[in-house]
Amino acid sequence: GAVVSQHPSRVICKSGTSVKIECRSLDFQATTMFWYRQFPKKSLMLMATSNEGSKATYEQGVEKDKFLINHASLTLSTLTVTSAHPEDSSFYICSAGEDRGRSGSYNEQFFGPGTRLTVL
Amino acid sequence: SQQGEEDPQALSIQEGENATMNCSYKTSINNLQWYRQNSGRGLVHLILIRSNEREKHSGRLRVTLDTSKKSSSLLITASRAADTASYFCVRGGSQGNLIFGKGTKLSVKP
Repeated sequence: GAVVSQHPSRVICKSGTSVKIECRSLDFQATTMFWYRQFPKKSLMLMATSNEGSKATYEQGVEKDKFLINHASLTLSTLTVTSAHPEDSSFYICSAGEDRGRSGSYNEQFFGPGTRLTVL
Repeated sequence: SQQGEEDPQALSIQEGENATMNCSYKTSINNLQWYRQNSGRGLVHLILIRSNEREKHSGRLRVTLDTSKKSSSLLITASRAADTASYFCVRGGSQGNLIFGKGTKLSVKP
């Protein structure tokens, strides 16, 4: 199946710093990528939809100025957690689906391995 | 908001037993997917079942879908300790995103 990579896999930072997480589709193009956040022992929550060439769409309650998303190419989306605080510590996962023209009506998504962020 | 509720929330069985997890949802779907997540790791796609399908198999996995009852089940036969993970049923959102249930935490004891 298609592969989605994330980098870094784990990051520890001090409070107040910014952290950038990359999500790449390795062997397919994705005009849309999704960013999820998972709190310990909880399910995934969609944060935002990343759209290539346009602004991201954020879910209600997600601060767009804090979680900056840039989808600069058809294979790369980045999530930057700005001025991180301990409550931002979480597991961040991205996913991408092949452009609908190839996958038809499927919503099949390919997930990255996730990035564990710890803010001290 | 999340839609799709799995039950049980936690399931503990012995190796070799079968594990059944159920999922219910509230709105109509085009398809429903099951994912697996090992502790602290990324998600792995298991099976996608379309709304016009009633049952699907993949190895030791069997998924059923009852659109009239808006429910699905995932059966893992002859479970192994390596099957220990959280399992999520997921439906597709209108924008191509995925909506996750809370998951079932399966523990298979050797």
